[in-house]
Amino acid sequence: DIVMTQSPLSLPVTPGEPASISCRSSQSLLYSNGNTYFAWYLQKPGQSPQLLIYLGSNRASGVPDRFSGSGSGTDFTLKISRVEAEDVGVYYCMQALQTPFTFGPGTKVDI
Amino acid sequence: EVELVESGGGLIQPGGSLRLSCAASGFTFSNYYMHWVRQAPGKGLVWVSFISSEGSTITYADSVKGRFTVSRDNAKNTLYLQMNSLRAEDTAMYYCARVVHGGYDYWGQGTLVTVSS
Repeated sequence: DIVMTQSPLSLPVTPGEPASISCRSSQSLLYSNGNTYFAWYLQKPGQSPQLLIYLGSNRASGVPDRFSGSGSGTDFTLKISRVEAEDVGVYYCMQALQTPFTFGPGTKVDI
Repeated sequence: EVELVESGGGLIQPGGSLRLSCAASGFTFSNYYMHWVRQAPGKGLVWVSFISSEGSTITYADSVKGRFTVSRDNAKNTLYLQMNSLRAEDTAMYYCARVVHGGYDYWGQGTLVTVSS
C-alpha cells in the first residue's frame, strides 16, 4: 500500500497570513497517462470532507483561489495565500493512483 | 444539484449485519465510479471499497474483505454496502463518495455505524 505522510500535524494560523502543508507519498503518484493522482481535502468541524485540489494542482469547483496545490512525484504542498477564519479544520492528502486509496493522517489547522 | 444521501446506520451487536444505502441524485449515476470511505470517531479517513460504473470491477480494503459487499442499482441510483460479521473496529461514520479525476468531488453526509454489545 502507498503510505501518505503529512507535516505538520498541527498548524496554528493567523487570519490574513499564509499557511502551508506538506504531504509525501511512499511512491510516485505519476501515472502513465501523465496525470498525478493526488488530492487535498478539508474537513471542517462536523462536516463531510470537501475536495480542494485534484490531480495534484487543479482547484476543485467553487474552491477559493487563495488555495493552491503544487508538487509532483512524491512531494506535494498545499498553500493558503491568506488564511481566513472559515479555513479551520483538518486537511487530508490522498493518493488515488491505486487501491487501496490512502489518506494522510491529517493536519489540524486552527486559529 | 448533486446529492448523495446515506442511510442504514445504527447500533448493532458484534457479529451482526447492516446494509447501508447511498441514494444519488442530480447526476447520471451510472456514469460514475463510487466509493465508500469511513472515519472512526476522532480518527482519520480510511478507504473501504469501490465499485465501477457498471459494477463489473469491485475492490475492498483488506480489513473488510470477505465481510463487506458493495453493490449498486443504477436503475434506482443507489449504492449499497452490505456489512456482515461486524466488529467493534468497524464503528465509524460511513461516507459514500463520487470519484472524478482521482478525487472525491461529492461526499454524502455520512451514516454512523456503532458496533457494541
